Amino acid sequence: AQTVTQSQPEMSVQEAETVTLSCTYDTSESDYYLFWYKQPPSRQMILVIRQEAYKQQNATENRFSVNFQKAAKSFSLKISDSQLGDAAMYFCAYRPKGAQKLVFGQGTRLTINP
Amino acid sequence: EAGVTQFPSHSVIEKGQTVTLRCDPISGHDNLYWYRRVMGKEIKFLLHFVKESKQDESGMPNNRFLAERTGGTYSTLKVQPAELEDSGVYFCASSLGTDPNYGYTFGSGTRLTVV
Repeated sequence: AQTVTQSQPEMSVQEAETVTLSCTYDTSESDYYLFWYKQPPSRQMILVIRQEAYKQQNATENRFSVNFQKAAKSFSLKISDSQLGDAAMYFCAYRPKGAQKLVFGQGTRLTINP
Repeated sequence: EAGVTQFPSHSVIEKGQTVTLRCDPISGHDNLYWYRRVMGKEIKFLLHFVKESKQDESGMPNNRFLAERTGGTYSTLKVQPAELEDSGVYFCASSLGTDPNYGYTFGSGTRLTVV
């Protein structure tokens, strides 16, 4: 079965510092997509970053970047220059190519300390 | 463009009662998804509509859950009768197409508490 594991239920970081959220997944597929979603308190979940498994280059979106290690089935999210608005639940998700549903991890609650 | 709207945002009901959650997707989005997060656990897929048809309902936990999407517009998810283990946050998402390039747009969720 395809599973996604986020081993850090909670993380905190000082404003302007860098934090890395970990995510591992289990699959026998070779082609798939990986995502990080962010859900601020009482607000909708939004896509932070997406990685296609066949692309070796790590995805980057402004202050957000990933470290995608396909062989290790690891997909961590690095947030640089953390800002107060980054405080949220972060969910890692997996989607096999050709499938519609997402498989999510348990989430990591990120707190930013001013 | 209006986003995905879910209501109510919160609902507290007693065990055995019926609750209906509603999701209004982005206009023109044929694909609509329901997910659920039971407290502290992962978000799990419930089902997927393409227009008014159920494309995949493999995640529906049991026959107490009924999802509909009349006319391919808004969707409802009814829980009858509700049990304590049904408590959680129910998310709806919509997408223009099924290719991952389209991406999902999520709603803010409905927090259901069964007491």
